[in-house]
Amino acid sequence: KQEVTQIPAALSVPEGENLVLNCSFTDSAIYNLQWFRQDPGKGLTSLLLIQSSQREQTSGRLNASLDKSSGRSTLYIAASQPGDSATYLCAVSGNAGNMLTFGGGTRLMVKP
Amino acid sequence: ETGVTQSPTHLIKTRGQQVTLRCSSQSGHNTVSWYQQALGQGPQFIFQYYREEENGRGNFPPRFSGLQFPNYSSELNVNALELDDSALYLCASSLGQSSYEQYFGPGTRLTVT
Repeated sequence: KQEVTQIPAALSVPEGENLVLNCSFTDSAIYNLQWFRQDPGKGLTSLLLIQSSQREQTSGRLNASLDKSSGRSTLYIAASQPGDSATYLCAVSGNAGNMLTFGGGTRLMVKP
Repeated sequence: ETGVTQSPTHLIKTRGQQVTLRCSSQSGHNTVSWYQQALGQGPQFIFQYYREEENGRGNFPPRFSGLQFPNYSSELNVNALELDDSALYLCASSLGQSSYEQYFGPGTRLTVT
């Protein structure tokens, strides 16, 4: 059974800092990994999708890497801003049917 | 804006009642998945529908059921509501199975009293 863990559970940083969010998964047989952002009480916004054959994806100030063999992914946020404050979730898809298994999320607070 | 909509936004029900939640997928997306997200936790997979047939189910009892229609809309039905069913229910649509990106709706907040 796939298990996804995110560390840290919560993070508070001053504005402008570069930061790294971590995601680990127990079964390396995945199709893809997605990083999502969730604002309080809202749905999920997809940030980056990394296919199992890829090593990283970039979008603006965000960079996500994937090391499938070690079961790890990181989300790097450059020059953080207060608007980046949200919960960040990673999820892996590992079987036919594209069921996503989520981690518990990292709650990020960026202070002005 | 993902193009995936859900209704209603909020809902309050009493224990033992039945509820139907609705989702409208992006046009052309033949796969819809439903997730339950309890407060402070990551979403949990309920089930997935592909071309109007159930195509996978998570660890949820049979009182959670669904339907998918040809017009890219779908429903999640929950019978005999329990207090623990209180959660944010999310639907996600995708072009297909396996490696396709999933697009989530804003969710329906269900409160069971």
